[in-house]
Amino acid sequence: DTAVSQTPKYLVTQMGNDKSIKCEQNLGHDTMYWYKQDSKKFLKIMFSYNNKELIINETVPNRFSPKSPDKAHLNLHINSLELGDSAVYFCASSRPIGTGNTEAFFGQGTRLTVV
Amino acid sequence: EDKVVQSPLSLVVHEGDTVTLNCSYEVTNFRSLLWYKQEKKAPTFLFMLTSSGIEKKSGRLSSILDKKELFSILNITATQTGDSAVYLCAAVRGSQGNLIFGKGTKLSVKP
Repeated sequence: DTAVSQTPKYLVTQMGNDKSIKCEQNLGHDTMYWYKQDSKKFLKIMFSYNNKELIINETVPNRFSPKSPDKAHLNLHINSLELGDSAVYFCASSRPIGTGNTEAFFGQGTRLTVV
Repeated sequence: EDKVVQSPLSLVVHEGDTVTLNCSYEVTNFRSLLWYKQEKKAPTFLFMLTSSGIEKKSGRLSSILDKKELFSILNITATQTGDSAVYLCAAVRGSQGNLIFGKGTKLSVKP
């Protein structure tokens, strides 16, 4: 029944490692996002995909690479992890504007801790 | 640069008080404004506002949008301890529905 699901929920890893976070939505939405939430709870968009196509790529290090194998999945791969990457990462999905309610549904978040 | 500014950043009230949270925005190709409540985990949706002057209500919560002055308010009447959370405002930008979030207002309701 989960609409947007992310795995893992918690991830603790050492600096320099490469890790991936997976996201899947079963809502039939065309648009998916990755957001980073810092320690002060500020949510900032990182990427937006529409029908597997990258639409928005905000200023994030190129160590972060999103991959969308199909429109129901948007995975986030992070290379050479740094201490400053520690945060909660949220995946979300929505319909595009003009197709009805554009509310974004969020996953439960992945708390990444880099040590 | 697009921005969404919320105020106050934090607020402490007692049960039964009424609070008003503010959200102003400067966003190109603005489409609509969303309010979310975030407790421990993912933000949960409260309201979507597209038209000016039309109040949306859900129980003790209500919200309204002013597209001329570029702001929205979220009102909570007769606050309860369960209302304690971070309230996030987000402007929807562009045809792809990208959300630009404010930094949130942390509301603490004391018994």
